[in-house]
Amino acid sequence: ETGVTQTPRHLVMGMTNKKSLKCEQHLGHNAMYWYKQSAKKPLELMFVYNFKEQTENNSVPSRFSPECPNSSHLFLHLHTLQPEDSALYLCASSQAFAPIIRNEQFFGPGTRLTVL
Amino acid sequence: KQEVTQIPAALSVPEGENLVLNCSFTDSAIYNLQWFRQDPGKGLTSLLLIQSSQREQTSGRLNASLDKSSGRSTLYIAASQPGDSATYLCAVTHRSEIQGAQKLVFGQGTRLTINP
Repeated sequence: ETGVTQTPRHLVMGMTNKKSLKCEQHLGHNAMYWYKQSAKKPLELMFVYNFKEQTENNSVPSRFSPECPNSSHLFLHLHTLQPEDSALYLCASSQAFAPIIRNEQFFGPGTRLTVL
Repeated sequence: KQEVTQIPAALSVPEGENLVLNCSFTDSAIYNLQWFRQDPGKGLTSLLLIQSSQREQTSGRLNASLDKSSGRSTLYIAASQPGDSATYLCAVTHRSEIQGAQKLVFGQGTRLTINP
């Protein structure tokens, strides 16, 4: 395990449910990210938060709603999802404004989401 | 738009062999390139980060090279072991999309199997 934790690790939900994914980083970073990893597709960036402010939203459907209450915690609220939203959702963190050429992202273990 | 391609998509070799994984990218305006390892159903572990001004990085049996002008990177694994079996992902960080946080563009990965 890394300094980035995610809960739950597995989630099964119906299309009418509302659930939330949680990410916490213990690395003192101040930028956090949500990624989606579907079968046979590259990792896709969904949201970026820098100092708790959202700076990137890659045309993600509104049924995904991020929340970043502080620089250590990141949530992804889910509602009325579709079966095609089933995927591994990964959280990552990095040190914003560190020299970018040396900057690394550290990833959590992911939440495996299945939408029935 | 940056595109990252990894070849081959899958590779199976006997234990002890040296092997090379390839990564290519279309836009050379990158800050750095990272190689990650992903075990089945798990998050990503960073293996090596090569800054845009560097040519290679080494960590143990791993050596990664970067030729920014030609848009290519290779990951060399020496004396492969069954424990090296995983999916290997490369990702580039963009110069033009920095807003105080990174934006990584990933390849689809190479699934490596080392046979005992």
